[in-house]
Amino acid sequence: EIVLTQSPGTLSLSPGEGATLSCRASQSVSDNSLVWYLQKPGQPPRVVIYGASRRATGIPDRFSGSGSGTHFTLTISRLEPEDFAVYYCQQYGSSPLTFGGGTKVEIK
Amino acid sequence: QVQLQESGPRLVKPSETLSLTCSVSGGSIRSYYWNWIRQSPGRGLEWIGYIFYSESTKYRNTHYNPALHSRVSMLLEMSQNQFSLQLKSVTAADTAVYYCGRSGFYEGGFDSWGQGTLVTVSS
Repeated sequence: EIVLTQSPGTLSLSPGEGATLSCRASQSVSDNSLVWYLQKPGQPPRVVIYGASRRATGIPDRFSGSGSGTHFTLTISRLEPEDFAVYYCQQYGSSPLTFGGGTKVEIK
Repeated sequence: QVQLQESGPRLVKPSETLSLTCSVSGGSIRSYYWNWIRQSPGRGLEWIGYIFYSESTKYRNTHYNPALHSRVSMLLEMSQNQFSLQLKSVTAADTAVYYCGRSGFYEGGFDSWGQGTLVTVSS
């Protein structure tokens, strides 16, 4: 099973600032099979990035994903108020599908 | 846009079977992959498994998380456009918010989710 470790656990930032979130895998994720989600309280997760770097429909271009192998990054160039949430990575390159523990992006 | 909605008992006794149904509207379950995922404070997000049906080949398949494989079964109800989850021999560790979700649109990511239902295992 691929274990995904996200860091940091919490990011305290102000609107307008940039954010960099990390997701490290215990073994290589094949074919860049990695998704990033954001989740707000009381809601299910929503896809932001899939295939490590492709934005989902309706996701603004301030979100970008990069990485391969065992290290992936989600970058938010300028935080908007609606971006403050918990972000999860998930790999689908091998079974079982697994999720990271999440990074909370909170307002400073 | 496809919509999913979970339904089923919110309280299950230890050692009994948890049963949930996911109703799908705005799309057919005769394509894509139909999943169950759960979320709890202690275990985070955990993929339970998927069921898949191909209308073109009439091929049906299930794939479960090995950690839960011995206790899980999933079924498709084509006439109702629903799919279901059964989890046997539950314990307090199975208390979680259970989501149904679709994958295959964004490759292996879950592009559509139900709102989730909290299932508590307690006597």
